[in-house]
Formats: sequence, structure tokens, C-alpha cells
Amino acid sequence: DAGVIQSPRHEVTEMGQEVTLRCKPISGHDYLFWYRQTMMRGLELLIYFNNNVPIDDSGMPEDRFSAKMPNASFSTLKIQPSEPRDSAVYFCASSLVLAGGTDTQYFGPGTRLTVL
Amino acid sequence: AQTVTQSQPEMSVQEAETVTLSCTYDTSESDYYLFWYKQPPSRQMILVIRQEAYKQQNATENRFSVNFQKAAKSFSLKISDSQLGDAAMYFCASPTGTASKLTFGTGTRLQVTL
Repeated sequence: DAGVIQSPRHEVTEMGQEVTLRCKPISGHDYLFWYRQTMMRGLELLIYFNNNVPIDDSGMPEDRFSAKMPNASFSTLKIQPSEPRDSAVYFCASSLVLAGGTDTQYFGPGTRLTVL
Repeated sequence: AQTVTQSQPEMSVQEAETVTLSCTYDTSESDYYLFWYKQPPSRQMILVIRQEAYKQQNATENRFSVNFQKAAKSFSLKISDSQLGDAAMYFCASPTGTASKLTFGTGTRLQVTL
């Protein structure tokens, strides 16, 4: 299996521009997670989906952030308009669900976003 | 509120020695999994080891083992025979809210010296 795929790996944009991050989860996984990692706040869960349905978006910082999962093999995280404080590494992860809770979350390589 | 605590921001160990990274957590779940992830400079998050809370036996994966104490909600990671490639940030993760969500600790940066 190719693992979780994210694109782009690096993104540099100017304040006010729209940014779209993409993720392809591992085939067959039920859950998809979007995280943001910064030095100040560590690794934060933004939103997660179960069977393509958003379950919890309480971690999404503002209305400027939105996420979609139109099918089981693709998800996007969009920031519009972007601001310098959005600069971070954004990770996508996917997992199966087990009787005792979610299985291991497998992470993509991350997208390093820089907003100038 | 922070539900996963890693009290050691940095640790150092000599090559071939043993080091233990500590983690405490707080969850209301009864059945759950706990995880240690490694993040090398490449920033890829890599699973190190997983513990199933309903199993009393501590998980072991080659040179990596855990000391899981459910009542104390403690989940430490022991790395034996440390290697230079073990140098990385290590994150502990536990479920929060629902078993589907994980909260990650702030991480412990491990240095391995010759």
C-alpha cells in the first residue's frame, strides 16, 4: 500500500490567497483526520471524518477553514483567505475502527504551509 | 484542558544505553488504545508501539517496550540499546472525548550521543 498521500508537500502563498491541501487516505480506512502542527500549539486535531461524514470539527480554528471528503479516497482542507498565523505543517491521517476504539492512525508526510 | 502530559521536554541517552520516556493521560474510556509515535527531522509521524488498555501485558516491539499502569494512567516508553537513528521527537497519544479522537502530548526530544 502507498500509505497516506498528501499534496502539495510544500506551499508558499501570500496573505489573502486561497490554499487547498489534499489527502488520499489508505484504501479501506474508515476514518480520516486533519491535524495542524506548530511549535506553539503542538499537534492539534482540526476535524475528522467517519465514512466520509464530518464527525467533529470543533478543532477548526475559524470559518476561514473548511474541509470536505467527497468520497472515500479523497479529502481537502481549504483556507480562505489565508493569514500568516496559518503557517504550520498540516497532516492528514487515516485509520480503521476496532471494537476497542480506533486503530492506529497512519500519517501522511505533511504539507508545510508558509503564508507570507 | 491538557489530557496527555509528557513532563520531559528533552532527554539524552548514550548509544547502546536504555532510556525511559514518561507519559500520563486522562481518559474516561474503558476500552482504548494508547500510542507512541516518533517524529524524526523528516517530520514523518511514525508509529513506534501501541498498547491495548484491556491487556495487562505490556506491549513490546523489538527494542521498544512500554510500562503501562492503567490505574495510574501512566504509559512510559522504554528504548533499549539506543541507536543514533532513535534520535527524534516522541509523542504519546491517548483517546479523548471519544475513542475515535486522539490527543497528543507536547513531545519529548530524544538525543542519542556517542
